[in-house]
This record gives sequence, C-alpha cells and structure tokens, in this order.
Amino acid sequence: AQSVAQPEDQVNVAEGNPLTVKCTYSVSGNPYLFWYVQYPNRGLQFLLKYITGDNLVKGSYGFEAEFNKSQTSFHLKKPSALVSDSALYFCAVNWEYGNKLVFGAGTILRVKS
Amino acid sequence: DGGITQSPKYLFRKEGQNVTLSCEQNLNHDAMYWYRQDPGQGLRLIYYSQIVNDFQKGDIAEGYSVSREKKESFPLTVTSAQKNPTAFYLCASSWRRREETQYFGPGTRLLVL
Repeated sequence: AQSVAQPEDQVNVAEGNPLTVKCTYSVSGNPYLFWYVQYPNRGLQFLLKYITGDNLVKGSYGFEAEFNKSQTSFHLKKPSALVSDSALYFCAVNWEYGNKLVFGAGTILRVKS
Repeated sequence: DGGITQSPKYLFRKEGQNVTLSCEQNLNHDAMYWYRQDPGQGLRLIYYSQIVNDFQKGDIAEGYSVSREKKESFPLTVTSAQKNPTAFYLCASSWRRREETQYFGPGTRLLVL
C-alpha cells in the first residue's frame, strides 16, 4: 500500500534563512508526488508536483522540491523563508496504478522575524 | 480556492440530524473528492467520483453519503450514523488521470450542538 510520512510535526526557521520540510514515501511503482500549503481555516493550495523528468521541481512562491528515488524522498525547500510562509504543509503521493491521493499528516512551518 | 465553492462555511448539526454540505466546481473536471480533516491526522478520503452517476467509497465512508447527478456538483450528506462528525470537510476536483493535480475548495467546518 502506498504511504507518505512527514517526520517533523513542526519546523521553525528564522526569516531569511533557508527552509526544508521533509517528506518520504512508499509506493509499489513510479510515484506522483505533490506539495500543498494550508493557511488557517482555508482549503489546500497546490504548490508543486513531480511526475517524471527533472528531479528538481520548481513551484509557486519560490518553493522547490527535489525528488530522490534512492532515498524515496521529496523534500520541500525554499532558499529564503518569509514570515508569510508560516502555514501547514502537506505532502501527498499517488502512483501509476494507484486509485487515490494519500496525504501525510502535515508539518507546521513557523517563520520568525 | 478558485473554481471550487463550498457552502456553508460553518454548519451546526443537532443529534440525530442529517446535514448536507455543498460542493460546486466550474473547472469542467471529471473527478471530485470529499476529504475529512482532523487535527494531526492529515486528510482522509471519504468518497470520490470519477464520472457523473458513479462514485466510490474512500477510507472512511461509514456514516456519509454522496450523489453525483451533475458534473459540476458533488454534495456530501453527513448522516446521523456518523457519531463523530465534528471536523473540517474539504472538497476537491481534478482531471481523471492519476498524475493530475487536485484543486481544493475553501472547506466547511461542521460542529455538533
């Protein structure tokens, strides 16, 4: 069965510093990986996805993620964090023969000025 | 959130009452989904529909029902059989292929009186 893990409940970073939010996955075949962001009492907003091709994926608001097949990871990164990046981040996975998108439990990102 | 509307924003349910959450999309997507979000548990799939007049149970379908009579609409009914309905409910839509991005509505928060 497919699964996704976000090992950190919360990540704290100072404004201007680089940030990383971790995600690891488990699927039987080729994965389709997604990152979403959620602000309080709002729906999820799509940030980026990896389907195939270049392992480094660039997305919205300066975020990027690197697909690492050997480590089964898809960590979300940003070179310089903003206070406005503070939110709940979800990693999700489907795969070539999957029938649903599976979400991680989420990671709270707090960026302090 | 654009393109997918959910109503109401807040909904209060009394004991033994069925309530219906509305989800409408104008993106012409074939597939629609309902998720439940509880703190610290990520999103769990309740029901999904890939085409009009067809839908499948997700991971936590007990106590819920849906219909898909029109492509743009996918209402969710929380029945009295759902003993713990307090949660944030999110509707999403996408094209049918597994690698397609799901786009989310703003959510409905259901509270029990």
